[in-house]
Amino acid sequence: EPEVTQTPSHQVTQMGQEVILRCVPISNHLYFYWYRQILGQKVEFLVSFYNNEISEKSEIFDDQFSVERPDGSNFTLKIRSTKLEDSAMYFCASSPGTTTNYGYTFGSGTRLTVV
Amino acid sequence: AQKITQTQPGMFVQEKEAVTLDCTYDTSDQSYGLFWYKQPSSGEMIFLIYQGSYDEQNATEGRYSLNFQKARKSANLVISASQLGDSAMYFCAMRVFFGNEKLTFGTGTRLTIIP
Repeated sequence: EPEVTQTPSHQVTQMGQEVILRCVPISNHLYFYWYRQILGQKVEFLVSFYNNEISEKSEIFDDQFSVERPDGSNFTLKIRSTKLEDSAMYFCASSPGTTTNYGYTFGSGTRLTVV
Repeated sequence: AQKITQTQPGMFVQEKEAVTLDCTYDTSDQSYGLFWYKQPSSGEMIFLIYQGSYDEQNATEGRYSLNFQKARKSANLVISASQLGDSAMYFCAMRVFFGNEKLTFGTGTRLTIIP
């Protein structure tokens, strides 16, 4: 069964450093997403991406964050100047379209720890 | 805006018993989908079951069924014959179709199965 692949599974970074979280969505999917889950809390939407541009973003997704699809297969989330409160599990997801549930698939997540 | 409410932060259930996890939702849209995800301690998000707003039958997937009551805006997950491996966090989520691509999650219910 096709998978969404995220790397790394764990990342520890110092406050103020930049991190890049990587995702390989399912190959024929058109829509890509990042979500965040602070430990013990609910999953929050960050951003959606379609046709090489951001289609929707939440208020969490401020200038500190950016997304990119650099080469047609990878989908990255960059966090500039990380803060302690950026520590969370970050999930990538992809889907084939907006009018179906089928194939809305999450990766296994990257656990980011900012120290 | 959409909202998902899960009122049970934690539940303890005896092995082999059935369990119902509550979920209510709020939206003014007519076309939407409701999802349940399982999150074990390892952290990944595992899709369990989906119900579309126009589906006339309640969804079933193996031991999982979704008790969909549209007028009451509820979408409860029923797990029959619970197993120790069912111990996990369970999240209800919804997605509005035709333009709004993100999933909105509830706060989750931590289910513990007692042997």
